Amino acid sequence: QSALTQPPSASGSPGQSVTISCTGTSSDVGGYNYVSWYQQHPGKAPKLMIFEVSKRPSGVPDRFSGSKSGNAASLTVSGLQAEDEADYYCCSYAGSNNLVFGGGTKVTVL
Amino acid sequence: QVQLQESGPGLVKPSETLSLTCSVSGYPISSGYFWGWIRQPPGKGLEWMGTIHITETFYNPSLKSRITMSPDTSKNQFSLKLSSVTASDTAMYYCARINGWQGFDGRWHQDAVDIWGLGTMVTVS
Repeated sequence: QSALTQPPSASGSPGQSVTISCTGTSSDVGGYNYVSWYQQHPGKAPKLMIFEVSKRPSGVPDRFSGSKSGNAASLTVSGLQAEDEADYYCCSYAGSNNLVFGGGTKVTVL
Repeated sequence: QVQLQESGPGLVKPSETLSLTCSVSGYPISSGYFWGWIRQPPGKGLEWMGTIHITETFYNPSLKSRITMSPDTSKNQFSLKLSSVTASDTAMYYCARINGWQGFDGRWHQDAVDIWGLGTMVTVS
């Protein structure tokens, strides 16, 4: 299985929106509605932000939203705040109880 | 509150076996959920390594020949062994709890990682 494809970087000014893409295949992202997104600050463990494409765990601000179309999923962060500056990773179920992660996207708040 | 904590040597010699343990508190690993290992080389992305679910194990195909995971329900721990390590196995190793979903076949499948340990750095040198 190959890693999912994410852009290495994305940026936006405070208050703006940024969208991160996550491209896979019909064997992972396109085949299942089990895409999750994680936020990771430097030196910290990742934190679950979105699961099952678009669901938010308790405590995650509604500024974070997820979607999927075909073999690509997206994470949108609206109303960017300084604390949103972090690395973001997507992950998908890939069949046969395998998981595959994306390469990560560094989000910079300008 | 469920918590996970990794433990094990921080330095392993090339060609030897890396061994880590994840201690779980707040939920018996024999009762459900998936329990896995995820690693992150310095400055790089996350890689799912493998998962235990009750009595079954699932491994990343790229590691299948070198990885072994096993539960110790008496201590509420699960372990990772990775053989024949090289410098490319140098990474932060996280243990994690993974949610599941039930398919039409009645079998459980992995979903999202909802709880992570703090991670432990392992250097192969």
